[in-house]
Amino acid sequence: DGGITQSPKYLFRKEGQNVTLSCEQNLNHDAMYWYRQDPGQGLRLIYYSQIVNDFQKGDIAEGYSVSREKKESFPLTVTSAQKNPTAFYLCASSMGYQPQHFGDGTRLSIL
Amino acid sequence: KNQVEQSPQSLIILEGKNCTLQCNYTVSPFSNLRWYKQDTGRGPVSLTIMTFSENTKSNGRYTATLDADTKQSSLHITASQLSDSASYICVVSPVDSARQLTFGSGTQLTVLP
Repeated sequence: DGGITQSPKYLFRKEGQNVTLSCEQNLNHDAMYWYRQDPGQGLRLIYYSQIVNDFQKGDIAEGYSVSREKKESFPLTVTSAQKNPTAFYLCASSMGYQPQHFGDGTRLSIL
Repeated sequence: KNQVEQSPQSLIILEGKNCTLQCNYTVSPFSNLRWYKQDTGRGPVSLTIMTFSENTKSNGRYTATLDADTKQSSLHITASQLSDSASYICVVSPVDSARQLTFGSGTQLTVLP
C-alpha cells in the first residue's frame, strides 16, 4: 500500500546536538511538507517542497533545515539552534498545493 | 490575521449518541475547508473537503456543513463509536497555496461505552 513513512517514532536530543527525522513516501507525490504540532495549538508549517531540489521556508523555519534530493524523501534536521525542539513532527505529501496524506509522526524530546 | 477557531475544545459523549463540532474562520478569500481526524500518536487523516460552492459533504457517519457567508463549518458525527475518539481538526485555505493553510487547534472527542 502507498503511504508516508516517518522514522523514528520517538527521538531524543542531547544539548548541542543536531538530529534528523526521516520522511519517505511511495505515493509519487510531487509536494512534501513538514509540520510541527504542539499541545493545544494548530499545526505550523516548517518547510515545504514542491519539486526535487527546491524547498521553501514555512512560518517557523528557524532552527530547522531540509533537503529534497529525491522525490520520495524529505528529511528534516533539527539543529542545535532550535531552542525548543520538543514537539510532535508530522510529514505530509500531496499532488497539488495542499497536504493530503500525513505520516504517523516523530515525537522529539530533550534529554 | 487568518484564524480558525474550533469549539468545544473537548467533548465527552456516550457511545451511540450524535455530536456536532464547530469551526469558525476569518480566512479570506476562501478556497476550501477540510476536516481531519487525528488519533492519538498518529497523523491526521482527511475526512472531507469542501469548496466555496458546497454546503454539505458526507463521509459515512461524518457530515460536514459549510456556510461561507457566516464563515462557519460544522462536523456532525452520527451514532458515535468508541473508535471516533480522536482530535478533529478544521483546516482552511484562502487560495491554492500550502504557505497559507490555517489549522485549528482541534476538538478532542472522547466516546465512552
